[in-house]
Amino acid sequence: GAGVSQTPSNKVTEKGKYVELRCDPISGHTALYWYRQSLGQGPEFLIYFQGTGAADDSGLPNDRFFAVRPEGSVSTLKIQRTERGDSAVYLCASSPNGGANTGELFFGEGSRLTVL
Amino acid sequence: AQSVTQPDIHITVSEGASLELRCNYSYGATPYLFWYVQSPGQGLQLLLKYFSGDTLVQGIKGFEAEFKRSQSSFNLRKPSVHWSDAAEYFCAVLPSYNQGGKLIFGQGTELSVKP
Repeated sequence: GAGVSQTPSNKVTEKGKYVELRCDPISGHTALYWYRQSLGQGPEFLIYFQGTGAADDSGLPNDRFFAVRPEGSVSTLKIQRTERGDSAVYLCASSPNGGANTGELFFGEGSRLTVL
Repeated sequence: AQSVTQPDIHITVSEGASLELRCNYSYGATPYLFWYVQSPGQGLQLLLKYFSGDTLVQGIKGFEAEFKRSQSSFNLRKPSVHWSDAAEYFCAVLPSYNQGGKLIFGQGTELSVKP
């Protein structure tokens, strides 16, 4: 597609449930990022993939959060045993390389997660 | 720890007036600096970036920003605001070149434009 696509755009779930959020990056972009944006805050880094491997997962808050990118394109962010504090907009971004050369990340519109 | 501060949570300006959004960063060296804009229903979009060289950088949509090392600031400016500029603006820092796209964002400044 022309841009970064994220699905679902909105997800409402109950506390304790499992959730998957999907990101389809711009074709040909090797680097993919997940950020989390809580209400009234700026995005916070979660994890960064270069190809299929997680190059940096230092932003994942705990072991309930996990992300994969098995074929180096689409990525899924998985959240187990969701908690109310996980409610946020989850942003995905991609870049042609590691983002270091230009610093320009291309963001999707986000997936808004609400945990009741 | 590196941090980015945007002191103004919300700013309102009249259409046609000038605009300055403030950004201060806390970091020992000169990081890579960015401004992103988030419009309703759209993803974050890069407005401009500073890596090195000329401290006044030009971006898209008529925006510019000036890096001032002595003040650890990277303020965003526009001489004449248009109604379509109403959005949320984020300043961001990339602490080092080899950290890929691991940006540190400020909390954002929401811009409203009065007709």
